Order: sequence, then structure tokens, then C-alpha cells
Amino acid sequence: GAVVSQHPSRVICKSGTSVKIECRSLDFQATTMFWYRQFPKQSLMLMATSNEGSKATYEQGVEKDKFLINHASLTLSTLTVTSAHPEDSSFYICSAMQRSQNSPLHFGNGTRLTVT
Amino acid sequence: GQNIDQPTEMTATEGAIVQINCTYQTSGFNGLFWYQQHAGEAPTFLSYNVLDGLEEKGRFSSFLSRSKGYSYLLLKELQMKDSASYLCAVIGNYGQNFVFGPGTRLSVLP
Repeated sequence: GAVVSQHPSRVICKSGTSVKIECRSLDFQATTMFWYRQFPKQSLMLMATSNEGSKATYEQGVEKDKFLINHASLTLSTLTVTSAHPEDSSFYICSAMQRSQNSPLHFGNGTRLTVT
Repeated sequence: GQNIDQPTEMTATEGAIVQINCTYQTSGFNGLFWYQQHAGEAPTFLSYNVLDGLEEKGRFSSFLSRSKGYSYLLLKELQMKDSASYLCAVIGNYGQNFVFGPGTRLSVLP
């Protein structure tokens, strides 16, 4: 089955530093990748939609200059949290969609970010 | 925009049947998905509906009525391991805007 690899699974960083999270589709080409954030006991909140070769589309309230998304190839998207603050501590999950429009999303295992 | 609603929490007994509802209002519709998520883990795919009717897959079934903007996930023969959050998600036009509902936390009691 389709596999999405997300790295790192856990990261602890100091306030003010930047953290990069990678999301790779291992056995399929992902024309679209989605980035979600999830706080404890809450649902997944869509942050941005990333299409290969074009700029990401950010949801309302998500700062594009703070959460930099790059989707340079059909198998890799990255999310960089710049100048991280403690309130950015959360569970970040990426997902990828195959070329077939109505195929289910395949999720990475998530990244637990803790900003101290 | 998209608005998706689910009950926040549900409780059921081991061996019983439970139905989790999802209502949605979206600007476009290209399918509805159900996912299961255990705490601290990524969601796992359960089912997909794009046409009206019931889709059955083992102990899990999902129903869709597009005219009513309504879906439900039916879990039969509940097991303790079914305790999890269940998320419905709607995909809009052209595969964009894959948005999740708030999720329903299901607790299965012995």
C-alpha cells in the first residue's frame, strides 16, 4: 500500500530557532500534499495545501511567513516552522494524495514538536 | 467554505453497535472519508463514499446521503480496541480542501 514517511517523529527546539519537517511519498507520486496541526483532544486543522511546483495555499489564520512550505518534487514536501515559539508546540501531520483525485489521503506518522 | 459537524463524544458497550453521524455543508463535494485515530497516532483510512448508499467493509459500514449532506459510520460487534477518535472528512472540488470534522471520541466499555 501507499506509504508516506514523515521525519522527524519528535523534535525539541529552543524558542527562536527554526525546524524543518519532511514528508515523502515513498511509492507513489503525490501531486497534492496537505499539512495539518493537531492540538490535544482536538481534530486535525488544515494549515495549507501544497501542490507540486506551485505556491502553497494557506488556510485563514495561518501565517505563510512563519510556516514555510516547499513542494519541490512529486515525492517531497517540507514544512519549516520559523522562529518557533512555545505556542507552536503541537503535533504536525502531513498527508499526500495520489494523482487519482478521489483516492484516500495517506498520512505520515506525524511530528511532535516541543518548543522550550 | 466548508462546515462539518460530528458529536464530540460517544460511549458504547463491548459487542454492541454504534452509529457515528456526520453532517456537512460544503461549497463543492467530491467524496467523504472516514478515518480512525488513536491518541498520538496518525489517522488510518476506514471508508470512502462518493455516491449515495451504504458501503460495507467487515465490521464497519458507512452511509452517505448527498442531498441531505449526511453520513454515518456504523461499527458492529464493538471491541475495546475500537476506542478511538473517528473523523469524517470531505474533499472539495478538484481534490482541494481536504477538511476534517471535529472528530468523535468513542469509548468502548467492557
